Amino acid sequence: EDQVTQSPEALRLQEGESSSLNCSYTVSGLRGLFWYRQDPGKGPEFLFTLYSAGEEKEKERLKATLTKKESFLHITAPKPEDSATYLCAVPIGGATNKLIFGTGTLLAVQP
Amino acid sequence: DADVTQTPRNRITKTGKRIMLECSQTKGHDRMYWYRQDPGLGLRLIYYSFDVKDINKGEISDGYSVSRQAQAKFSLSLESAIPNQTALYFCATSRDRMNTGELFFGEGSRLTVL
Repeated sequence: EDQVTQSPEALRLQEGESSSLNCSYTVSGLRGLFWYRQDPGKGPEFLFTLYSAGEEKEKERLKATLTKKESFLHITAPKPEDSATYLCAVPIGGATNKLIFGTGTLLAVQP
Repeated sequence: DADVTQTPRNRITKTGKRIMLECSQTKGHDRMYWYRQDPGLGLRLIYYSFDVKDINKGEISDGYSVSRQAQAKFSLSLESAIPNQTALYFCATSRDRMNTGELFFGEGSRLTVL
């Protein structure tokens, strides 16, 4: 069964304290892994697409990496404005845009 | 103005009532989706449509129906609402040929069924 699991469920960091979020997946024939950010009361906002093991993408303080079994979202020197829920997703079936999502990691960065 | 607009943003209704959630988009995308989000369960796909004449069930379509009135409009209906349909509902769109996994979400419709 296709599945996406994220850990930890919640993470509290001090401003400047770097850490990583994990997304592990079990899908047959991975056709991409996607990271989203969701702020309270808002819809998810797309961050990154990763297609193959070894690929990395960066955006400001965020860097996403991909292996054959999992993806990491590394947060370097986070700021309070990085506080949000981070979701990962993988496509299933024959349509790349039909995604299954993990339950997310709620990140809180304290000043 | 938001590119993907959902109405209503909040709705409280009673068990057995019919309710419709509406979604309109100005992005010009062919693909539209309805997801629901529950604490601990994440986002789950209810229905999706790849063009006006195409409607497909997602993983949790029981108790829901949809209508794609136009390229820009995709409505979700609960014919007889029940309490376990209390959730946050999101409409999303995506481009047709760009397989980037990028969905554009509305701001959500919070539904409470009493």
